[in-house]
Amino acid sequence: DTAVSQTPKYLVTQMGNDKSIKCEQNLGHDTMYWYKQDSKKFLKIMFSYNNKELIINETVPNRFSPKSPDKAHLNLHINSLELGDSAVYFCASSPTSRSTDTQYFGPGTRLTVL
Amino acid sequence: DQQVKQNSPSLSVQEGRISILNCDYTNSMFDYFLWYKKYPAEGPTFLISISSIKDKNEDGRFTVFLNKSAKHLSLHIVPSQPGDSAVYFCGSRGFQKLVFGTGTRLLVSP
Repeated sequence: DTAVSQTPKYLVTQMGNDKSIKCEQNLGHDTMYWYKQDSKKFLKIMFSYNNKELIINETVPNRFSPKSPDKAHLNLHINSLELGDSAVYFCASSPTSRSTDTQYFGPGTRLTVL
Repeated sequence: DQQVKQNSPSLSVQEGRISILNCDYTNSMFDYFLWYKKYPAEGPTFLISISSIKDKNEDGRFTVFLNKSAKHLSLHIVPSQPGDSAVYFCGSRGFQKLVFGTGTRLLVSP
């Protein structure tokens, strides 16, 4: 069984479109994250939710809106996609939001904006 | 601002030898450090961690060393195996946030 799953694995779309990436974890964790790995290979945190509540919101354009319908799901919706949004997006989860908790990552979603 | 730096983008080592991956950080408030390993088309997986109150942590073939005064940590893999070939990310945690370096690609040749 996949612990942290993301759909889709690949997403190719045109500039200006709106798209969503879904993430689900079956580990029973309280905390979930979205990371972005850009072309320079930086892996940066975007958002973190703990029990469906937003706890970390990095400097991310408000075109990006995370939604957590329950603590096992954290979806990422992106409006008006831009070329610079092309990246690999990773979802992760951890048992709690404690800094010493191990984070478990999904396989990533490669987004290409044309 | 790049708070965590891995200055070597790649490293090649022969099987059986030691691999040493390095990481530097700038924020003295970081209190917990981790290494993650990433294979192609997969997400990063946790490898080993160290608290700032320690200077060494060992787990099998993997040892992480922390030099707080130099703000430097390193991962030693000995002996290296071909299956260790992957990208290794150094991570530093503080304020509920994990900050990663850009990764070092390790290639272990038979």
